[in-house]
Amino acid sequence: TQLLEQSPQFLSIQEGENLTVYCNSSSVFSSLQWYRQEPGEGPVLLVTVVTGGEVKKLKRLTFQFGDARKDSSLHITAAQTGDTGLYLCAGAKGSSNTGKLIFGQGTTLQVKP
Amino acid sequence: KAGVTQTPRYLIKTRGQQVTLSCSPISGHRSVSWYQQTPGQGLQFLFEYFSETQRNKGNFPGRFSGRQFSNSRSEMNVSTLELGDSALYLCASSFITGETEAFFGQGTRLTVV
Repeated sequence: TQLLEQSPQFLSIQEGENLTVYCNSSSVFSSLQWYRQEPGEGPVLLVTVVTGGEVKKLKRLTFQFGDARKDSSLHITAAQTGDTGLYLCAGAKGSSNTGKLIFGQGTTLQVKP
Repeated sequence: KAGVTQTPRYLIKTRGQQVTLSCSPISGHRSVSWYQQTPGQGLQFLFEYFSETQRNKGNFPGRFSGRQFSNSRSEMNVSTLELGDSALYLCASSFITGETEAFFGQGTRLTVV
């Protein structure tokens, strides 16, 4: 059972277009992280959202945590070729006794020039 | 500040052998988690160590084990390697257990032939 469902799995767009990636679950998470991973490298943390309804912006990237803390979205405005990569959402459940993260399957984004 | 260091970066082993992977966390970080990443299953949690104690374990067979040393460095061991163990093994460090912002190393690419 995949606790975190990401959609779409693959996305190929032209430079300059906007896109949104979704991360959904039936479970409540205490926090949710978004990572970006390039081939052969480890995931790089982009943002952590903690509060239901929270919106965070990182330049052209906007992250939102759902009010019920069960879902999240990542919106990229005016995508650039440098945004190409695998985007992963990861959720933390429960209290502070574990560092375990549950990852979505990832969204592979290709931005064409 | 140096990031998470994993060694070796690449490894080729024969089925039935055993392997040990190493992870040095960010200086001052005491929590180390290990993940297995495969194309089919995505990122899956193996285990987490904090202050030399295993705090949490994922759903992997007993062939997968780990330990943490007093300097927070961690090793994971896989015995009796199977072809299906071929994967990118990622180590993540956090300041304390339960802090869900994890910083990943570049990973060790293990190929079992």
